[in-house]
Amino acid sequence: KAGVTQTPRYLIKTRGQQVTLSCSPISGHRSVSWYQQTPGQGLQFLFEYFSETQRNKGNFPGRFSGRQFSNSRSEMNVSTLELGDSALYLCASSLAQGPSYGYTFGSGTRLTVV
Amino acid sequence: EDQVTQSPEALRLQEGESSSLNCSYTVSGLRGLFWYRQDPGKGPEFLFTLYSAGEEKEKERLKATLTKKESFLHITAPKPEDSATYLCAVEDNYGQNFVFGPGTRLSVLP
Repeated sequence: KAGVTQTPRYLIKTRGQQVTLSCSPISGHRSVSWYQQTPGQGLQFLFEYFSETQRNKGNFPGRFSGRQFSNSRSEMNVSTLELGDSALYLCASSLAQGPSYGYTFGSGTRLTVV
Repeated sequence: EDQVTQSPEALRLQEGESSSLNCSYTVSGLRGLFWYRQDPGKGPEFLFTLYSAGEEKEKERLKATLTKKESFLHITAPKPEDSATYLCAVEDNYGQNFVFGPGTRLSVLP
């Protein structure tokens, strides 16, 4: 079966711009979680969506937002990009809310802010 | 505040040289401890979930164990294809926090 698909794989943006990343979960999975991974901070939780509702949110500024559509696909948006937003952004899908139901991660979107 | 630390930060082994990776955690009630493997340029891949002290899980050359304060990932007779970063994560009882450790970067030399 198809895995978690994240697009695009690579992205280069300029400071001050905004960006939208997309995640298509495994068919039948209703929960999508987003993580930021950097060499210094490791994997940090951004937010989780289940049935089109944000269920949990990490400690990130309001510039980071997301949404989930009725087909469970999710997008995250980062506005007013800063150099420190350069990172690998990963999404994980699961059958239900929370990692206990088994996270499957995508390969990520590598965002570089210049 | 829930915290996860891992040691060592990096580990180089010769093929066949067994060793263990450590994951120490502080959490307000443990729902589960998770081990993942991450290859360069890819997302983490799920390995194990452990729920209570004394529990053990095995998969090929990997064996994970759990105590009340830490977990170990034992690698027996590793092969070069076991080279990866190994991450552990804890979920609290309330299901509100899922915290990853910084990972251990394992290199297995032929």
